[in-house]
Order: sequence, then structure tokens, then C-alpha cells
Amino acid sequence: DIQMTQSPSTLSASVGDRVTITCRASQSISSWLAWYQQKPGKAPKILIHKASSLESGVPSRFSGSGSGTEFTLTISSLQPGDFATYYCQQYNSYSWTFGQGTKVEIK
Amino acid sequence: QVTLRESGPALVKPTQTLTLTCTFSGFSLSTRGMCVSWIRQPPGKALEWLALIDWDDDKYYSTSLKTRLTISKDTSKNQVVLTMTNMDPVDTATYYCARNRDCSGRMDVWGQGTTVTVSS
Repeated sequence: DIQMTQSPSTLSASVGDRVTITCRASQSISSWLAWYQQKPGKAPKILIHKASSLESGVPSRFSGSGSGTEFTLTISSLQPGDFATYYCQQYNSYSWTFGQGTKVEIK
Repeated sequence: QVTLRESGPALVKPTQTLTLTCTFSGFSLSTRGMCVSWIRQPPGKALEWLALIDWDDDKYYSTSLKTRLTISKDTSKNQVVLTMTNMDPVDTATYYCARNRDCSGRMDVWGQGTTVTVSS
């Protein structure tokens, strides 16, 4: 299976900060990558698919980039509702796999 | 409006078989290109994809769990069922179902999840 590694595991930031989360795949996945946001006690919510395509209704401060094995999720100006855990997920080949998550905390 | 809802037992004993049902509305699993996945999340841990079924009744499973999983659908009832055999305490988790609109890995709508505890 393809392994997905996120960094950092935890990130402390303030409202208004620019935040970047990295996701690395153990082999090339082209652009078959999604990003999800999960808040405590809630189901994940998709933010980005195909590495850089923003899901409908997702604020434009979220953006994704990358291809092959290295990907990033950027939040251009962190808002109070963005404090959550973020997961990347590859869907290049079965079985699909998630990263271990990055928790964005209030500094 | 697309919704999904998971249902099943909250508590199962070790070695038992778990059966979970995902009941959905707002789309049809007989529509070409439509799929439903199951995903789980142990307490405090990461998400783990388990299985997928498509409109054509093709099925795909997690490599590590495929010997224990069976996914099926009842299109007339708008339901997808997941069974997991030989349950163990490490299978304690919240289990989610989600729609894959274009049968890609993109899971665009999720259920609220159902928590399953494995304990004697």
C-alpha cells in the first residue's frame, strides 16, 4: 500500500497566519490526492480534490498544490473556524490511504 | 440534498461479526459513476479506508482487512451494508460511510458516523 506521511503532526498558529501542511507519498500518485478537515466529534469534510481543485463552497483561503509524491495544503489567513485536524488521502490506487493527520492549534 | 446515515450495534463482543448499514438519500447507487465507501477512525487516531462498492456492484477492499470484510448494496432500499468478521478490541472505532460521486477517491459527503466498541 502507498504510505502517506504528513508534517508537522501538530502546528500552533494564530488567527491571520499563513499555514502550510505537507503530505508526502511513498510512491508517485500523480495528482490523485484529497485534503479533508475534521473538527472534534464531527465527520471529515472534503476541502480539495485532485491535489489542487477546491470543492464547491470551500473558502478560497484554502489551496492545494503538488504532484507526484509531494503535496501541500495552504491556508492563506487562518480563521477561528479553521482550528481542526487536516488529513491528506491518496486515491491513485487501492487500497486508498490517509495521512496520520495534522492538528492545527491556537497559539 | 445528499445524506448518509450509519446504523448498527454500539457494542460487540470479541470474535463476533459486525454488521453496519449505511442508508442514504439524494442519489442512486444504480447511477453510473456512483460509489459508496466505508471508513473508520479509532479513538484519537487517523482515518482508515475500508471498502468501496460501485454502481456496477464491483467491490474493493483494504489490503490489510480484505479477508474480514464484505460490502454489499440493496439499491431498492438505498442501503450499503458492511460486515466485518472476527471483531477484536482494536476494531473499536467510529465507522463512517461516504459517497464517492465519480467513483474516484474523492469522498464528498459523509455520514455522521457510528461508534462501535468491541469488548467482552
